[in-house]
Amino acid sequence: EAEVAQSPRYKITEKSQAVAFWCDPISGHATLYWYRQILGQGPELLVQFQDESVVDDSQLPKDRFSAERLKGVDSTLKIQPAELGDSAMYLCASSRGTLNTEAFFGQGTRLTVV
Amino acid sequence: GNSVTQMEGPVTLSEEAFLTINCTYTATGYPSLFWYVQYPGEGLQLLLKATKADDKGSNKGFEATYRKETTSFHLEKGSVQVSDSAVYFCASSSGSARQLTFGSGTQLTVLP
Repeated sequence: EAEVAQSPRYKITEKSQAVAFWCDPISGHATLYWYRQILGQGPELLVQFQDESVVDDSQLPKDRFSAERLKGVDSTLKIQPAELGDSAMYLCASSRGTLNTEAFFGQGTRLTVV
Repeated sequence: GNSVTQMEGPVTLSEEAFLTINCTYTATGYPSLFWYVQYPGEGLQLLLKATKADDKGSNKGFEATYRKETTSFHLEKGSVQVSDSAVYFCASSSGSARQLTFGSGTQLTVLP
């Protein structure tokens, strides 16, 4: 069964350092989402791609976060510099992007900033 | 904008008890509605979905009915098991960009 792949699974970084997460969506899925989930809360959308184009990045802290999906397939989310408050689970999801289709999630990257 | 409101947790039940987790939504247009489940340390898994009013989604004994008149999508299960212990998220998807919005989640613990 096809899955959304994310790496790394866990990441510990010092504040002010740069960190990057990678996501490979299910083949053929045009829509890719990056979510941030703080412990005990629901996922919050950071950025949504349709193919290689950004559809929504209104909640992405653009002074330190960036995201790209250059060829419309895999994607990278970067934080520079990391802050203590960035500690969270970062989830990637993908969907076909058509009406009524659900999103499939990866296992996430647990980021701890120390 | 769109939003999803879930019943506050945590919820603790004994095995074989009846489960209800309330979920209401606000959205433009006619959203699709979903329930996702998250086990500790894992990503979210789709539990069930409904795409139009009066649709009933069901899976693994869980059910939810899309009620347009009350803008609700409550999750139910007649007899919970210890293995159902997890966090449950209600979500809606709407708009031309199919934006997916989540509720805050409800922690369910089932005791043997």
